[in-house]
Amino acid sequence: SQQGEEDPQALSIQEGENATMNCSYKTSINNLQWYRQNSGRGLVHLILIRSNEREKHSGRLRVTLDTSKKSSSLLITASRAADTASYFCATDAYGGSNYKLTFGKGTLLTVNP
Amino acid sequence: SQTIHQWPATLVQPVGSPLSLECTVEGTSNPNLYWYRQAAGRGLQLLFYSVGIGQISSEVPQNLSASRPQDRQFILSSKKLLLSDSGFYLCAWVMGWGYTFGSGTRLTVV
Repeated sequence: SQQGEEDPQALSIQEGENATMNCSYKTSINNLQWYRQNSGRGLVHLILIRSNEREKHSGRLRVTLDTSKKSSSLLITASRAADTASYFCATDAYGGSNYKLTFGKGTLLTVNP
Repeated sequence: SQTIHQWPATLVQPVGSPLSLECTVEGTSNPNLYWYRQAAGRGLQLLFYSVGIGQISSEVPQNLSASRPQDRQFILSSKKLLLSDSGFYLCAWVMGWGYTFGSGTRLTVV
């Protein structure tokens, strides 16, 4: 079953605008991660936020986490055409050495030049 | 440096034929390894994961199996492919807390 659910499913913006994607999850987590996938490629890790953190920045990326609402958001500022990709949130299910991530269905972001 | 290799990139196989996808990692030892499948327009579904040689955990009952004959080698197999096995297969390993993914194999069963 899928733990994370992103919304919107698809987002189309103009270059230079900000893009915000949201993720909701159901159970307690140790950390939440965001990944990016270009069409037909593997996923690339973007950023990780731990359950005791509320906000994290990396370049043009800003991630927030609200554990009381079981939700996270990914903000991409000053978007570029090269940011066009699918973005997935993933949550951990940690049990001893059995570390594994559960992914949402993703948000398809299109940045128009 | 640590890298992950996955092949082939694309594969077209007839129904009922066998399957073998290979994934190898370099630059690390005793990694946790994972196989995921991504159906068109969908998220990733965890199929198998392995914490060591010969140790395989299956997440969903299916027509597929996995093996880990060597520390840095993870193989996904099927004896007889079904149409429903079509999809994008991704191998991954854990570095710290984040996954590193291979480039994926696009499998089309015809």
